[in-house]
Amino acid sequence: KNEVEQSPQNLTAQEGEFITINCSYSVGISALHWLQQHPGGGIVSLFMLSSGKKKHGRLIATINIQEKHSSLHITASHPRDSAVYICAVPSGVGNQFYFGTGTSLTVIP
Amino acid sequence: DAGITQSPRYKITETGRQVTLMCHQTWSHSYMFWYRQDLGHGLRLIYYSAAADITDKGEVPDGYVVSRSKTENFPLTLESATRSQTSVYFCASSGDIGDNSPLHFGNGTRLTVT
Repeated sequence: KNEVEQSPQNLTAQEGEFITINCSYSVGISALHWLQQHPGGGIVSLFMLSSGKKKHGRLIATINIQEKHSSLHITASHPRDSAVYICAVPSGVGNQFYFGTGTSLTVIP
Repeated sequence: DAGITQSPRYKITETGRQVTLMCHQTWSHSYMFWYRQDLGHGLRLIYYSAAADITDKGEVPDGYVVSRSKTENFPLTLESATRSQTSVYFCASSGDIGDNSPLHFGNGTRLTVT
């Protein structure tokens, strides 16, 4: 059983499209993290959120604690947004995390 | 600049050799982690540390050894490398649980065992 499920697994979009990536989790959490990994690159923390919504540029992250669900939205997508997006939640044990398997996004010019 | 640095970025070694991957962070974060990332498996925790001189096993610890004599350093050693340890290794750090601090990753070490 996966504590964190992401969908879709793969996503291809045309430049300019609105993108939504979903994350569902089964554990009680204090905060959820969205991470970004470009091909062959390092992993960058995009958002950490415990309620409501956060916005950074064209990226918006929302969370519904009651439904145990979070979404990452990208407005006016661009080829440079092509990356793997990973959702992570604390496991409650030693500050460890459960990770989703990632959503691979490709934005075509 | 504050950050988390891994070295080397790339490493090729032979089966049976000992290899050490280095990780250094400048935030004075309490927690440090070592993950491996493989296709089809995502990120899997090898070892983590809650503070200097405190380490614990993660999901896939076999064949690895860690130490944390100083808060800022968390080296990972493969005592006798095997081909199954070919992977991308990420070091990460975060503050105390109550701080709700972000998880910071290094740029990764791509290790190939021949």
